[in-house]
Amino acid sequence: GQQVMQIPQYQHVQEGEDFTTYCNSSTTLSNIQWYKQRPGGHPVFLIQLVKSGEVKKQKRLTFQFGEAKKNSSLHITATQTTDVGTYFCAVPLRGSTLGRLYFGRGTQLTVWP
Amino acid sequence: GAVVSQHPSWVICKSGTSVKIECRSLDFQATTMFWYRQFPKQSLMLMATSNEGSKATYEQGVEKDKFLINHASLTLSTLTVTSAHPEDSSFYICSALSSGENQPQHFGDGTRLSIL
Repeated sequence: GQQVMQIPQYQHVQEGEDFTTYCNSSTTLSNIQWYKQRPGGHPVFLIQLVKSGEVKKQKRLTFQFGEAKKNSSLHITATQTTDVGTYFCAVPLRGSTLGRLYFGRGTQLTVWP
Repeated sequence: GAVVSQHPSWVICKSGTSVKIECRSLDFQATTMFWYRQFPKQSLMLMATSNEGSKATYEQGVEKDKFLINHASLTLSTLTVTSAHPEDSSFYICSALSSGENQPQHFGDGTRLSIL
């Protein structure tokens, strides 16, 4: 079955508004990674969360890992047009070693100027 | 650092042709590389894990005789789509894993394959 559910699938915001994407799993995760893919480009690693309740910030981006390690979120404050792209969460495939990942379906962010 | 080069970036060819895609880690050694497939506006789907010096591990539903993987060195993995057909048209992306615990995957630029 699906390893992780990511919502929403699409988000359209005006520049300056905030944006959040969520990933939820039915099982406890050892870690979760977040990637950004610009239109026509390849995924670029943003961050990895490992600890329960972890919160990490990268400028306007805030990443959270739930206390139960079953959900995670990425929040962008005051979006800019450069934030446009699809944001994916990725989790280790069940029973997996060696870095095999399952990617969520992604949230496609559009920012209007 | 951690640059992955993928070549070619775009391929258009006739049905029945075999196409080889290369994935190179330029500034680090990658004992493990991954091959993904991505359809338009969809997520990345892991096809196989490429291990240096050993056979690739394929995900369920991926035909190993259709998608041949060779990982001959610590910096190069190749994916050959054999006897490609229009349904094989897709965006193929490789990634490389650097050594060490909890390291991220570094992705190549991808190869857009169109089979006529």
